[in-house]
Amino acid sequence: KNEVEQSPQNLTAQEGEFITINCSYSVGISALHWLQQHPGGGIVSLFMLSSGKKKHGRLIATINIQEKHSSLHITASHPRDSAVYICAAYNAGNMLTFGGGTRLMVKP
Amino acid sequence: DTEVTQTPKHLVMGMTNKKSLKCEQHMGHRAMYWYKQKAKKPPELMFVYSYEKLSINESVPSRFSPECPNSSLLNLHLHALQPEDSALYLCASSQDFGVSNQPQHFGDGTRLSIL
Repeated sequence: KNEVEQSPQNLTAQEGEFITINCSYSVGISALHWLQQHPGGGIVSLFMLSSGKKKHGRLIATINIQEKHSSLHITASHPRDSAVYICAAYNAGNMLTFGGGTRLMVKP
Repeated sequence: DTEVTQTPKHLVMGMTNKKSLKCEQHMGHRAMYWYKQKAKKPPELMFVYSYEKLSINESVPSRFSPECPNSSLLNLHLHALQPEDSALYLCASSQDFGVSNQPQHFGDGTRLSIL
C-alpha cells in the first residue's frame, strides 16, 4: 500500500463544474505539496501547505493534519485545467513521497 | 516559466551512445535532485546532491552517472542505456537538503527514448 493515496485516479468533468481531488497519507509529514503535470511533462507547483487552507485563483487546497487528509478543489473548471494532479508528502528530511496522480479531463 | 531549466527537452539515443542531460537553476538552491518518471507513474528519486556532493543514490545502475560541477548545474551522463530506461527525467532543486518545509522546484523534464 502506497503511503500517499489519491482519489479518484481518473476524473472527467464538464466545463464549469466544481472538482475535488483527495489525498490521504499514512505517515507523519512536515508538509504536503500539490503539483500539476501537463502532457508535455513539466511539473508545476500549485500549493505547499502544512495546515489550514490556501487559495490561488480558482484553486483551493485544504489539509487536515489530524485526519491525514488533503483536498484540492477547482472551482469553475475549464478545459485548460486538464492535467495530472499529484499530491506529494514531505517527510522531516524534506524527501517526497508521491501519490499516484489524478488524471483530470475537463470537457467543453 | 520554470525556474529550473532542463536541456534537451527530447533525446533519442541508441544503446551504445553516450549523452548527457543538463539541469540549471539560478535560485541559489543548494540541493538538486534527479527523478525518473515512467508513463502514468509518479516520479522516482534517483539522486540527490547537496552542496555539490552526492548525498543520496537510490541504487541507480552505473550506466547513469550524475555530476554537479557547481551549485547551479547538475548533469546526468548516460552510457549504454537499455530500452527500459526510456522515461521522462526530471530535475528539481530546493533551498537546502534535509531541511523541512522547503519546496522542491521542478523543471520541464527531458523525454528520453532509447532505441
